[in-house]
Amino acid sequence: EIVLTQSPGTLSLSPGERATLSCRASQSVSSSYLAWYQQKPGQAPRLLIYGASSRATGIPDRFSGSGSGTDFTLTISRLEPEDFAVYYCQQYGSSPQITFGQGTRLEIK
Amino acid sequence: QVQLQESGPGLVKPSDTLSLTCAVSGYSISSSNWWGWIRQPPGKGLEWIGYIYYSGSTYYNPSLKSRVTMSVDTSKNQFSLKLSSVTAVDTAVYYCARMLHCSGGSCYPRPGWFDPWGQGTLVTVSS
Repeated sequence: EIVLTQSPGTLSLSPGERATLSCRASQSVSSSYLAWYQQKPGQAPRLLIYGASSRATGIPDRFSGSGSGTDFTLTISRLEPEDFAVYYCQQYGSSPQITFGQGTRLEIK
Repeated sequence: QVQLQESGPGLVKPSDTLSLTCAVSGYSISSSNWWGWIRQPPGKGLEWIGYIYYSGSTYYNPSLKSRVTMSVDTSKNQFSLKLSSVTAVDTAVYYCARMLHCSGGSCYPRPGWFDPWGQGTLVTVSS
């Protein structure tokens, strides 16, 4: 089973700043099959990124994904107030078994 | 627009079976996609439960495999989850979602990412 470790656990930043979230895999993720989700309180997760770097439909271009192998990054270039939420990564390269990271909480400083 | 809606009892007694249904609208469940269940205990992260193809093929999380059964009803455009012998640790918000796997401009009938998700339903295990 591929274990995904997200860091930091909590990130405190101000609107307008740049956010960098990390997702590290215990083994190489095949073909960069990694996705990122955003979850706000009381809501279902929303897909942001798939294939490590492809933005989902309707996702603003301030969100970008990068990485390969075991190290992946979600970057939010300029934080908007609505971006403060919890972010999860998920790998689907070792299907049938898929896994989620434990999440990074992005909070307002 | 694809929409998913979970339904089922919000309260289940310990040792009973949790049963949920996910109704899909705006999209045929018989399309070349897998359909998944994910849960989230209060205040915690996401846990994959399993997923099912319209043909009935399934994959379950090994940690839950002995207690999980999924099924699909193409005539009603819905799929279902049963989790047996529940305890308090099974208390969670349960989500259903479509799975997609696309690359290079083509999509494939393989497990992938989850999109979209249902709104989720809270199931509490308590006597």
